[in-house]
Amino acid sequence: ILNVEQSPQSLHVQEGDSTNFTCSFPSSNFYALHWYRWETAKSPEALFVMTLNGDEKKKGRISATLNTKEGYSYLYIKGSQPEDSATYLCAFSGSGGSNYKLTFGKGTLLTVNP
Amino acid sequence: SAVISQKPSRDICQRGTSLTIQCQVDSQVTMMFWYRQQPGQSLTLIATANQGSEATYESGFVIDKFPISRPNLTFSTLTVSNMSPEDSSIYLCSVRTHTQFFGPGTRLTVL
Repeated sequence: ILNVEQSPQSLHVQEGDSTNFTCSFPSSNFYALHWYRWETAKSPEALFVMTLNGDEKKKGRISATLNTKEGYSYLYIKGSQPEDSATYLCAFSGSGGSNYKLTFGKGTLLTVNP
Repeated sequence: SAVISQKPSRDICQRGTSLTIQCQVDSQVTMMFWYRQQPGQSLTLIATANQGSEATYESGFVIDKFPISRPNLTFSTLTVSNMSPEDSSIYLCSVRTHTQFFGPGTRLTVL
């Protein structure tokens, strides 16, 4: 059974604060690590797909890093805005014939207060 | 990218009944996936649906409970059969192109 853990479970920050969350995943048979942003009643939005150890990706104020050897990824949000409020999900896919299957963490619920 | 729509967006059903969820994609895709998220739990893959073949179910999910149709490359349905309160979840359809895209989900409550 694959175990993908996210922390913290929830987070409240003030507008303008920078924040980060963690995703831990199996360090063996790694294929890719996905980050999604999910607002209520909307489709989960793909933020990043990361495949290489040491990868750093950035999209506006959001960035992510990847350490496949130790099995963790960080998501950073710089200068949080109320519209960043959402659940942030990470998902692991393993190598082999089933690399299309995603194993998700439970998510980090971010609330940004104006 | 792929744009995915689902019907219904939400429903409240009585135990023992069945609900069919529809998923429509704006482009042809080989593989479609059905996930669910029970309250407080992770998004979990139910099955993979390829056009022209039977769906492949993950451990813990069976065809009698979650029959799936895949009549063409842009459409799929998932039926939740003989529902119980434990089936109350968000059900999401998903496709994979260069990345994995998800529909907006169907929020199901079973009384």
